[in-house]
Amino acid sequence: KQEVTQIPAALSVPEGENLVLNCSFTDSAIYNLQWFRQDPGKGLTSLLLIQSSQREQTSGRLNASLDKSSGRSTLYIAASQPGDSATYLCAVLSMDSSYKLIFGSGTRLLVRP
Amino acid sequence: DGGITQSPKYLFRKEGQNVTLSCEQNLNHDAMYWYRQDPGQGLRLIYYSQIVNDFQKGDIAEGYSVSREKKESFPLTVTSAQKNPTAFYLCASTERGRGSSGANVLTFGAGSRLTVL
Repeated sequence: KQEVTQIPAALSVPEGENLVLNCSFTDSAIYNLQWFRQDPGKGLTSLLLIQSSQREQTSGRLNASLDKSSGRSTLYIAASQPGDSATYLCAVLSMDSSYKLIFGSGTRLLVRP
Repeated sequence: DGGITQSPKYLFRKEGQNVTLSCEQNLNHDAMYWYRQDPGQGLRLIYYSQIVNDFQKGDIAEGYSVSREKKESFPLTVTSAQKNPTAFYLCASTERGRGSSGANVLTFGAGSRLTVL
């Protein structure tokens, strides 16, 4: 059964720092991996989607990498800003899950001014 | 603007009552999903539907029911059989359904927060 883990659960950094969020999954048989952002009490916003055949995707200050063989993905945020403060979730579309996304529990990020 | 509308945003329920959460999308998406989110936890799948008049149980379907009579609508009923229904409920949709390995970015609604009194 696919399991997704995110470490750390919470992270606090000063403004301007570059940071890395980690996501690991137990079964490498996936179609894709997605990173989402969630603001308190709100829905999720898709940030990046990496297909299983890809190694990374970039959008602005965000870069997501995927190493399927080791079951890991990282979300790199460059030059962090207070507006980046949110919870970041990763999710995998596993080949054994009948087209269901499996979510990690998220990393809660606070960027201090 | 295209998107997903969930209502109500906040809902209070007495024990023993059934309540229905609405989810409507105008994105012409085939697949729709209901997730439950508890504090400090990831999202858990309740039910999903890949085409009209068809839906499948997710990982925590007990105490919930759904219908998919129209492509645009996927309402979730929280029944009295759900022992711990207080949670944040999120509806989502994607363009493609079963068997697709292509891009399937999920679009989420703003969520409905249910509290049992």
